[in-house]
Amino acid sequence: KQEVTQIPAALSVPEGENLVLNCSFTDSAIYNLQWFRQDPGKGLTSLLLIQSSQREQTSGRLNASLDKSSGRSTLYIAASQPGDSATYLCAVSGNTDKLIFGTGTRLQVFP
Amino acid sequence: ETGVTQTPRHLVMGMTNKKSLKCEQHLGHNAMYWYKQSAKKPLELMFVYNFKEQTENNSVPSRFSPECPNSSHLFLHLHTLQPEDSALYLCASSPTGLAGGPTTDTQYFGPGTRLTVL
Repeated sequence: KQEVTQIPAALSVPEGENLVLNCSFTDSAIYNLQWFRQDPGKGLTSLLLIQSSQREQTSGRLNASLDKSSGRSTLYIAASQPGDSATYLCAVSGNTDKLIFGTGTRLQVFP
Repeated sequence: ETGVTQTPRHLVMGMTNKKSLKCEQHLGHNAMYWYKQSAKKPLELMFVYNFKEQTENNSVPSRFSPECPNSSHLFLHLHTLQPEDSALYLCASSPTGLAGGPTTDTQYFGPGTRLTVL
C-alpha cells in the first residue's frame, strides 16, 4: 500500500530565505507526482506535475525534483515571500485514477 | 477560481440530521471526485465518478451516499453521521484520459465544505 510522508510538518522562515520541502513515498511504481498548494478556506491548486520519466519541473521560483528509485521528491522555493504561506501537499498516483496524498507541510513566511 | 464550486461552505449538523453537499464544475470535465480531509490526516479519496458512473468507492461507510446526475454535478448525501466524520470535504473534477478513464494529471479542486457533526 502506497504511503506518502512529508517532512517537516510545519516550517516558519523569514522572508527571502530559500527553502526545501520533502516528500517520500514507499512504492516507487508511480505514474506521476504532484505538488499542491492549499490556502485556508480554499481548495487545492496544482503547482507542479512531474511525470515518472522526468527528473524535475520548474515554475517561476518553484522547482520540484523527483528521484523515483529512492522514493523521494523535493520542492524548492527560492526567495520566499509572505504570499507563499500556505500548506503544501505532495501526491503520487500509480496506474489508477487515485491520488495518494501526504499530510502536508504548513509553511509560514514572515516579513 | 478553479471552476469548481461547492455549497454550502460550512455545515453544522446533528447525528440524526440528513443533509447534502453539492459540487458543480464548469470545466466540461467528465470525471468527478469526493475527498475527505481530516485534521492531521492525509487527504482521502472517497468516490470517483466517470461519465456519471461510479468507478471507485474507497470503502466508505453507507452513511455517505453519493449521487452524480450528470457530468457537471456531484452530491454527497449525509445521514446519521458520527462526530468523527467532521472534516473538510473536497470535490474535484478532471478530464478523462486517452483510455477513457479519469486522469490524475489535472484535477481541479473546489474550496471544500467544512462539516461539523455534533
